[in-house]
Amino acid sequence: QKEVEQNSGPLSVPEGAIASLNCTYSDRGSQSFFWYRQYSGKSPELIMSIYSNGDKEDGRFTAQLNKASQYVSLLIRDSQPSDSATYLCAVLGGTSYGKLTFGQGTILTVHP
Amino acid sequence: NAGVTQTPKFQVLKTGQSMTLQCAQDMNHNSMYWYRQDPGMGLRLIYYSASEGTTDKGEVPNGYNVSRLNKREFSLRLESAAPSQTSVYFCASRDSGANVLTFGAGSRLTVL
Repeated sequence: QKEVEQNSGPLSVPEGAIASLNCTYSDRGSQSFFWYRQYSGKSPELIMSIYSNGDKEDGRFTAQLNKASQYVSLLIRDSQPSDSATYLCAVLGGTSYGKLTFGQGTILTVHP
Repeated sequence: NAGVTQTPKFQVLKTGQSMTLQCAQDMNHNSMYWYRQDPGMGLRLIYYSASEGTTDKGEVPNGYNVSRLNKREFSLRLESAAPSQTSVYFCASRDSGANVLTFGAGSRLTVL
């Protein structure tokens, strides 16, 4: 079992819709969770971090964390074509100090 | 400019050759990481160094060695390159306080 798994893509949504990206992790001791966005040919960039159960909102982005279910998600409201990218879930390990593991990524395409 | 610097940006090797990817950060971060990225595989952790003087294996360490030379520098060595090591390599460093991961621009390695 991979330590961090994301829902299989690619995901295609129309402009203005909500895009939902999901991620599960195996290390129950993990405390810190991140969503990164990566445009083709570029380095990943941080969108959101979340540490507590519940929702965290930042503009059009909402991260959701459920530690009991070992599940973290990212919602993108009012999706724009500029949101088209690969989204990567990352988890900072609890068992292994400092280990930061990524999922396989979900390719999102927002079509006009 | 503050950030993470990786060299070289591009490299072509023949099977069996060796090389070292260099990484340096000037943000006084404690933790540093090496990832590889292949199509559809997300970022896979090769090795990481949670703090100066320590290194640990990640998900895919076989065929690689690392050296945390000092707090600034973390190098990745391929002793005998194989075509399976053709990939884009990213170095990153992390601020333990803010938990922000900063990436280098990436190094594209081709092994023939």
